[in-house]
Amino acid sequence: ELKVEQNPLFLSMQEGKNYTIYCNYSTTSDRLYWYRQDPGKSLESLFVLLSNGAVKQEGRLMASLDTKARLSTLHITAAVHDLSATYFCAVTSWGSQGNLIFGKGTKLSVKP
Amino acid sequence: EPEVTQTPSHQVTQMGQEVILRCVPISNHLYFYWYRQILGQKVEFLVSFYNNEISEKSEIFDDQFSVERPDGSNFTLKIRSTKLEDSAMYFCASSGDRGVGETQYFGPGTRLLVL
Repeated sequence: ELKVEQNPLFLSMQEGKNYTIYCNYSTTSDRLYWYRQDPGKSLESLFVLLSNGAVKQEGRLMASLDTKARLSTLHITAAVHDLSATYFCAVTSWGSQGNLIFGKGTKLSVKP
Repeated sequence: EPEVTQTPSHQVTQMGQEVILRCVPISNHLYFYWYRQILGQKVEFLVSFYNNEISEKSEIFDDQFSVERPDGSNFTLKIRSTKLEDSAMYFCASSGDRGVGETQYFGPGTRLLVL
């Protein structure tokens, strides 16, 4: 059974600081996704990572994938208040029909 | 920009009643999904649908649940006899292709409350 673990589950940061969210998964996966969710809202796609060593960046967020370690990271650079949200990683398992298995999410709060 | 839409945005129902949640996926997409999120918890996969049939379903998707694509645009989730524990946010998602890493686009969700 494919399991996805994120840590930390809660993260309180000061503006301007850097931090990393970690996502581990238990079995081989062919794709890893990062989504953002604001309170009461839907999920917004941030990144899709397809191969070992993949790195993608958008603004202050950078995601990477190490398939050998079954680990993805979401790095936040110089955090700003607008980044406050819950961040989910999700994976699909080999042979699946693309259904996403989500982690529990990391609730990020960026304070002035 | 094309987006997934869902109706209604909120639904309140009595336990034991049937509900139908509606979704309009992005028009050229081929793969459709339903997920649910109980308040404050993670998002859980329910079912995937391709070529007018269920591709995969989770343990949550029992005989009380069914999906249908009644026409070329709508994709529905029916819960035949709702239970209190069905209260959740239900998200529809669609993608153009599952095989090349194309992302799944999520709708705004339907918040279902079973009393």
